[in-house]
Amino acid sequence: AQTVTQSQPEMSVQEAETVTLSCTYDTSENNYYLFWYKQPPSRQMILVIRQEAYKQQNATENRFSVNFQKAAKSFSLKISDSQLGDTAMYFCAFMRNNNNDMRFGAGTRLTVKP
Amino acid sequence: EPEVTQTPSHQVTQMGQEVILRCVPISNHLYFYWYRQILGQKVEFLVSFYNNEISEKSEIFDDQFSVERPDGSNFTLKIRSTKLEDSAMYFCASSEGELRADTQYFGPGTRLTVL
Repeated sequence: AQTVTQSQPEMSVQEAETVTLSCTYDTSENNYYLFWYKQPPSRQMILVIRQEAYKQQNATENRFSVNFQKAAKSFSLKISDSQLGDTAMYFCAFMRNNNNDMRFGAGTRLTVKP
Repeated sequence: EPEVTQTPSHQVTQMGQEVILRCVPISNHLYFYWYRQILGQKVEFLVSFYNNEISEKSEIFDDQFSVERPDGSNFTLKIRSTKLEDSAMYFCASSEGELRADTQYFGPGTRLTVL
């Protein structure tokens, strides 16, 4: 069974600083997808970034980037130049290549402080 | 930008009653999903739906649950006889195409409280 672990229940960062959220996963699959979703307070989850396991290059989306370490089964999210609007729950998620059953981690609550 | 919508935002029901949670996926999307999140716990996959049938379901999705696309826009989750442990946030999601692992777009959720 695939499991996703986020070991940091809560984190905080000063505005404009950089923060890294950790995620590890367990799978025997070789082809899969990894995602980071953001859930602002009282709002819906939105996709921040995704990574295909067959791609060696780390995905980036503006201020958001990942450090994908396939051998270590690690998928951390780096947020650069943190903004107050980045305050949210962040969920790491895993999906196998051949189905749509997405597995989520428990989430990390990130607070960006002014 | 198109969004997934869900109604109601909050539903309170008595144990043993039937509830129907409604979702309107993004209009050109072909895959639909339901997830739930019990307070303080992980978001859990319930079911995916494609071409008018269930494509995958989790062990949580037992005979008490059913899904339906009654018309061209709505996607519903029915719980036949609610239990206290069904209290949770229920999220609907949709994705665009037939390509597996297309990005899933989530609705705002329905908070179900079973008394």
